[in-house]
Amino acid sequence: GAVVSQHPSWVICKSGTSVKIECRSLDFQATTMFWYRQFPKQSLMLMATSNEGSKATYEQGVEKDKFLINHASLTLSTLTVTSAHPEDSSFYICSVVRGSEKLFFGSGTQLSVL
Amino acid sequence: QKEVEQNSGPLSVPEGAIASLNCTYSDRGSQSFFWYRQYSGKSPELIMSIYSNGDKEDGRFTAQLNKASQYVSLLIRDSQPSDSATYLCAVNGGGGADGLTFGKGTHLIIQP
Repeated sequence: GAVVSQHPSWVICKSGTSVKIECRSLDFQATTMFWYRQFPKQSLMLMATSNEGSKATYEQGVEKDKFLINHASLTLSTLTVTSAHPEDSSFYICSVVRGSEKLFFGSGTQLSVL
Repeated sequence: QKEVEQNSGPLSVPEGAIASLNCTYSDRGSQSFFWYRQYSGKSPELIMSIYSNGDKEDGRFTAQLNKASQYVSLLIRDSQPSDSATYLCAVNGGGGADGLTFGKGTHLIIQP
């Protein structure tokens, strides 16, 4: 069965608005979650590592003030894209580790900024 | 900078044949290797993991690892149209899944 639940599946918003994406681990506690972004025909790029109870760790080139990550509980991490612009349109995917480094992904969120 | 290289394809294989997908990586210290399948518009799904040199078989899938050559491959036997997807190779330097580096993926097409 599913290991991770991610919502929403897709969102369309106007430029300048903020969008929140939720990622929940199912039936287990995840102290660490990962957020990836994927542009069409490109590979997954790690954006940040979300740590429960502490600040997220962002990859080089990812604006932490634009992509706000909150991991307030052991089963929930949220990614908020603030003041979204068309260039932020992408497929955002969260993931968790379960069992010997195996990475399991949420269903992904397709963000389209008009 | 860690790199994972894959031929983007498309790779076209007749139904019932063996599909061979290849991946090379730059970080010689890499310890864990994964193959994911991704259908269009969907998130990746883990197919295989391999950690030591040699072959690892799981049903119709066989992963092959050669650390000396920094090469990992995925073989799909008896290819089915439902195997048509993009296959992502991912490599980890060890000590947890954080920092997984993905290739761009190979687009596989199984022709009925």
